[in-house]
Amino acid sequence: GNSVTQMEGPVTLSEEAFLTINCTYTATGYPSLFWYVQYPGEGLQLLLKATKADDKGSNKGFEATYRKETTSFHLEKGSVQVSDSAVYFCARSGGTSYGKLTFGQGTILTVHP
Amino acid sequence: NAGVTQTPKFRILKIGQSMTLQCAQDMNHNYMYWYRQDPGMGLKLIYYSVGAGITDKGEVPNGYNVSRSTTEDFPLRLELAAPSQTSVYFCASSYQEGGHQPQHFGDGTRLSIL
Repeated sequence: GNSVTQMEGPVTLSEEAFLTINCTYTATGYPSLFWYVQYPGEGLQLLLKATKADDKGSNKGFEATYRKETTSFHLEKGSVQVSDSAVYFCARSGGTSYGKLTFGQGTILTVHP
Repeated sequence: NAGVTQTPKFRILKIGQSMTLQCAQDMNHNYMYWYRQDPGMGLKLIYYSVGAGITDKGEVPNGYNVSRSTTEDFPLRLELAAPSQTSVYFCASSYQEGGHQPQHFGDGTRLSIL
């Protein structure tokens, strides 16, 4: 079946550090890939997405590239801020109808001043 | 822009009680979903709906029921609450099939069964 694996967390960084959160997915079908962010006490918000191989999604300084050859969709940001502290979820669509998503387990990011 | 609205935000139930978690969206989305989020875990799909009158089971449907009488509303029913159902519940909706459109989430309902 479909699955998504994220790097183990939590991740703790100092402000302005470089961020990478690894994500790999099972290669069944032709999925779209997503990164969602969850701030404390809130629901998930779409951060970025990519719908086909080699697409790069970007938003708010975050980037991720859809790599079919390595089945990866790693999230990166060049310089994190305290306000980026949140839980980040990688997800893939089913590649078929109904838009069902399979989520990774989430990675907690804490950024210190 | 209300988006996806969930009520209540918090609830404590006793074992064996029943309740309905409400979800409404005002974006005219056909597709709606219910997830549960347990600590340290990702989201697990409970039920989903592709339009009014059509629902189907997700990964973890046992102990829950849903209905979809209108495009806007997708309530989740717990008939006999059990401690294992303590979780945070999220409702989501999306516009288009094919899995390429993002889902829009509500702020969640935090449910404790004691």
